[in-house]
Amino acid sequence: NAGVTQTPKFQVLKTGQSMTLQCAQDMNHNSMYWYRQDPGMGLRLIYYSASEGTTDKGEVPNGYNVSRLNKREFSLRLESAAPSQTSVYFCASSDIPRVQETQYFGPGTRLLVL
Amino acid sequence: RKEVEQDPGPFNVPEGATVAFNCTYSNSASQSFFWYRQDCRKEPKLLMSVYSSGNEDGRFTAQLNRASQYISLLIRDSKLSDSATYLCVVNGGGATNKLIFGTGTLLAVQP
Repeated sequence: NAGVTQTPKFQVLKTGQSMTLQCAQDMNHNSMYWYRQDPGMGLRLIYYSASEGTTDKGEVPNGYNVSRLNKREFSLRLESAAPSQTSVYFCASSDIPRVQETQYFGPGTRLLVL
Repeated sequence: RKEVEQDPGPFNVPEGATVAFNCTYSNSASQSFFWYRQDCRKEPKLLMSVYSSGNEDGRFTAQLNRASQYISLLIRDSKLSDSATYLCVVNGGGATNKLIFGTGTLLAVQP
């Protein structure tokens, strides 16, 4: 089992460019999440998908869109990148959206927007 | 006020020392509590869940005080490999599993 995988690992964008961050999990989990991590801020939830076919906004959704392509895959899209979106992005998954469920994280994507 | 607050550290301790981290949370509706560990430039990984009765996993002991909205992690006999950032994490309340992360406490164990 690979767990949660993310591509790319690193990306440099110019302001205004668009890109899609890919995430896939092979644990048959129902719920998937996108976070960003910035120095001194902790991880903040961008969007989540409690189950296939549903998506909801998290704490910091502005400037992002998501697609739950199927049960395995959950992508995050930046339509017009801004320097404020420079961050480390983590995807996570959990079995079902119960409050006791552990979330498992991917290795992250480091994004620099110039 | 942050929803989850931790002392950022760093905590510099010698090998073999006992070290304690504390965390407070603001949402009294939170139902689940965790400690995650994050190594430098890596993803967070679950260290242990925290239960009201307190729980222990080897050298690690976690405690929860719901009345004071306070969570602690005790590491005994510190190893060099314990050097990492420790994240206090609580459920945001409500039915869905939306986790709120503290900013983390950096531990550096010195030889």
